[in-house]
Amino acid sequence: NAGVMQNPRHLVRRRGQEARLRCSPMKGHSHVYWYRQLPEEGLKFMVYLQKENIIDESGMPKERFSAEFPKEGPSILRIQQVVRGDSAAYFCASSPREGEKLFFGSGTQLSVL
Amino acid sequence: SQQGEEDPQALSIQEGENATMNCSYKTSINNLQWYRQNSGRGLVHLILIRSNEREKHSGRLRVTLDTSKKSSSLLITASRAADTASYFCATGTQGGSEKLVFGKGTKLTVNP
Repeated sequence: NAGVMQNPRHLVRRRGQEARLRCSPMKGHSHVYWYRQLPEEGLKFMVYLQKENIIDESGMPKERFSAEFPKEGPSILRIQQVVRGDSAAYFCASSPREGEKLFFGSGTQLSVL
Repeated sequence: SQQGEEDPQALSIQEGENATMNCSYKTSINNLQWYRQNSGRGLVHLILIRSNEREKHSGRLRVTLDTSKKSSSLLITASRAADTASYFCATGTQGGSEKLVFGKGTKLTVNP
């Protein structure tokens, strides 16, 4: 049973470009969470999704950021018109049920030039 | 907003010593979890303690929870150099979605 898979591992974008981060949860997990981490900081919650539904997006900026978890395929975190301040590590996690431990992917390191 | 606050921010000990990290939080919780992160990697779940539990053990790990003080502690006994990592507490809050809110972490260094 493969763990949570995130790709790409590293992503370099120029200011104004779009960044697409992908996350395939563990098999059988229908709950997906996205977190952002700045250097030497903890993880900041962004969004919580279940299949085809956004449950909680209270941590996600209203503009330029969007997330989806379609019926088929991975969850996507999309950042439009990236700015330097978007540079961070973005982690995806999944769980089989609410209130259970999370399984994390290895993260995508986004660098905006 | 930050829910959990770990203390200390950094801890340096010798191999074989015990390491204690503390976590305080603000709102009512369903559960509290501890995670470990090696530099540049994803987080690994260590232990989950529910709000109606007071203590839990897993190998060399011991976690306590005091809901009256809104605090938890993680004890690592007989530490090893391989325990060097950042340790985060995370809380699952009541009355909201089941997202986990993480603290800023304690950076533990175990010197050989």
